[in-house]
Amino acid sequence: AQSVTQLGSHVSVSEGALVLLRCNYSSSVPPYLFWYVQYPNQGLQLLLKYTSAATLVKGINGFEAEFKKSETSFHLTKPSAHMSDAAEYFCAVSLYNFNKFYFGSGTKLNVKP
Amino acid sequence: EAQVTQNPRYLITVTGKKLTVTCSQNMNHEYMSWYRQDPGLGLRQIYYSMNVEVTDKGDVPEGYKVSRKEKRNFPLILESPSPNQTSLYFCASSLARQGGNEQFFGPGTRLTVL
Repeated sequence: AQSVTQLGSHVSVSEGALVLLRCNYSSSVPPYLFWYVQYPNQGLQLLLKYTSAATLVKGINGFEAEFKKSETSFHLTKPSAHMSDAAEYFCAVSLYNFNKFYFGSGTKLNVKP
Repeated sequence: EAQVTQNPRYLITVTGKKLTVTCSQNMNHEYMSWYRQDPGLGLRQIYYSMNVEVTDKGDVPEGYKVSRKEKRNFPLILESPSPNQTSLYFCASSLARQGGNEQFFGPGTRLTVL
C-alpha cells in the first residue's frame, strides 16, 4: 500500500511570509500527485496536480509544488501568505492505472496578521 | 452547475439502524468514490467505482456497502452502523479511469452514530 506523509499537522506563518507544507510519498513507480485544500465546513478543492509533465507545477491562488523523484517529495509552497490561505491542506497520491487514492493526514495552516 | 451532491448533510442515528447516504454527480463522470475523514487520519478511501456495476474496495471497506446502478449515483449503505463509523464522509467523482484525473468532491455528510 502507498503511504503519504505530511510533516506537521499544524503550521503557523505570518501574513506575507513564505508558506511551505511538506509531503513525502512512498512509491516504487512515478505516481500522480495532488494537493487539495479544505476550507472550514467545505469539501476539498484541487490546488494543483503533477501528472509526469513539468516537475514544477503551478496551481491556483499562487501556490506551486515541485516534484522531486530522488527525494520522493512534493512540497507545496507560496511566496507570500494571505489571511485567506488559512485552511487545511491535503497531499494525495494515485498510481497510473490504479484507481485508489491515498491521502496524507493533512496540515492545518494558520496565518497570523 | 457541475457538482457532486450528497444527502443528508448531517445525520444522527443509533447503533444498528440501517442508513443510506446518497451521492449524485451531474458531470457524466465514470469514476466515483467514497471517503471518510477523521481527525489526524486525513481521508481514507472506503469504496470506489470505475463505471456502472463495477465497484471495488478501498482501504477501509468494513461495515459499508455501495452500489452503482446508474452512472450518476453512488450511494453508501451502512447496514448496521456502529459508533466507530461516526465520521465525516465525502463522495467524489472524476472524468475517467486514469489515476491522474482530478476528483471533484461533494460537500460532505457528517454522521454521528450513538
